[in-house]
Amino acid sequence: RKEVEQDPGPFNVPEGATVAFNCTYSNSASQSFFWYRQDCRKEPKLLMSVYSSGNEDGRFTAQLNRASQYISLLIRDSKLSDSATYLCVGALNAGNNRKLIWGLGTSLAVNP
Amino acid sequence: NAGVTQTPKFRVLKTGQSMTLLCAQDMNHEYMYWYRQDPGMGLRLIHYSVGEGTTAKGEVPDGYNVSRLKKQNFLLGLESAAPSQTSVYFCASSRLEGFGQPQHFGDGTRLSIL
Repeated sequence: RKEVEQDPGPFNVPEGATVAFNCTYSNSASQSFFWYRQDCRKEPKLLMSVYSSGNEDGRFTAQLNRASQYISLLIRDSKLSDSATYLCVGALNAGNNRKLIWGLGTSLAVNP
Repeated sequence: NAGVTQTPKFRVLKTGQSMTLLCAQDMNHEYMYWYRQDPGMGLRLIHYSVGEGTTAKGEVPDGYNVSRLKKQNFLLGLESAAPSQTSVYFCASSRLEGFGQPQHFGDGTRLSIL
């Protein structure tokens, strides 16, 4: 089982829709999480950091459920510009085991 | 404010050739990283550095060497390029306590080995 797993999609949604992605992680020692977005042939860019139960930034809400070991990303009122791949990342900072664990990403296409 | 700058942006090499990829950051970040990204594999860490003069191996270090002689620069070297090293290479940096902090990426180097 991958340490961070995401549904690759693609998710195809109309403009204005609400869409949610889940990301599950296997290492309970993971302390913090991030959502990055990556446009085609571009670099990943930080979307949100998730250090406790959740975070909200405008149309984007991230939630962390440590009991069930998943992180979710909710996008409300989808825009065409939201079309991208969304990468879930877990950070381990336990003694000598310090690393970032990247998911493979979920592809989102917002259609007019 | 340039952030993280990678050079070159594209390069084609022949098998066996050597080259160095340069990464420069102007954010005074302690941590710097080199990743490769391949279809279906996601981002994989090659080497990283927690400060000037230090380097450490990541997930896929074989065939690569790195140096961090100055805090703002992190160089990735391929001594004898192989077709398996065809990939998109990303450099990133982050503040102290890097693995728990967001990373800032350069816009990538697309490398093809023939």
